[in-house]
Amino acid sequence: DAGITQSPRHKVTETGTPVTLRCHQTENHRYMYWYRQDPGHGLRLIHYSYGVKDTDKGEVSDGYSVSRSKTEDFLLTLESATSSQTSVYFCAIRGRSNYGYTFGSGTRLTVV
Amino acid sequence: QQPVQSPQAVILREGEDAVINCSSSKALYSVHWYRQKHGEAPVFLMILLKGGEQKGHEKISASFNEKKQQSSLYLTASQLSYSGTYFCGTDQGGSEKLVFGKGTKLTVNP
Repeated sequence: DAGITQSPRHKVTETGTPVTLRCHQTENHRYMYWYRQDPGHGLRLIHYSYGVKDTDKGEVSDGYSVSRSKTEDFLLTLESATSSQTSVYFCAIRGRSNYGYTFGSGTRLTVV
Repeated sequence: QQPVQSPQAVILREGEDAVINCSSSKALYSVHWYRQKHGEAPVFLMILLKGGEQKGHEKISASFNEKKQQSSLYLTASQLSYSGTYFCGTDQGGSEKLVFGKGTKLTVNP
């Protein structure tokens, strides 16, 4: 199994503050993704990366930015957190053999 | 565009069968299926590729109708462990990114 970890697992932050979530993988996978999950919406793609410094927007990218300076790390930043960004955030990597995604354990973010 | 899953929820007794459908308004390059248990991350079940190649997972199977832009997940002789929310994810053009449906909640009772 691919090694993928997210940090932190839980975070409470105040409206207007910047927040950075980290995704770390140990398998040298090229593709990495950030999704958010909200009741009634399923999983929605925020941003994804196809290599170091190569990123692109997903369907709900407004208010988020990402960076990937190393293959193993993919950072998601909320520049100024809003209550609408309260969600569970999942990072994922795409496998080479079966192309399936492996998801991290998720970060539960609450913006108060 | 987000694929549409049906039904939204289904309740079964152990040993019964279920079918979950996933349809898209766009042409599909591949369809993925995932299962998520409460409080956990989604887990990959299988992928169906354009051209008919299928990669499966244990006792759960799926079909992919490219012309209709639809996929169906078949769960036969359901077990308690099948309970969870099932998501289809669609790749709409070899873009290396998936768009997920809203999910189908499956509950298997003894």
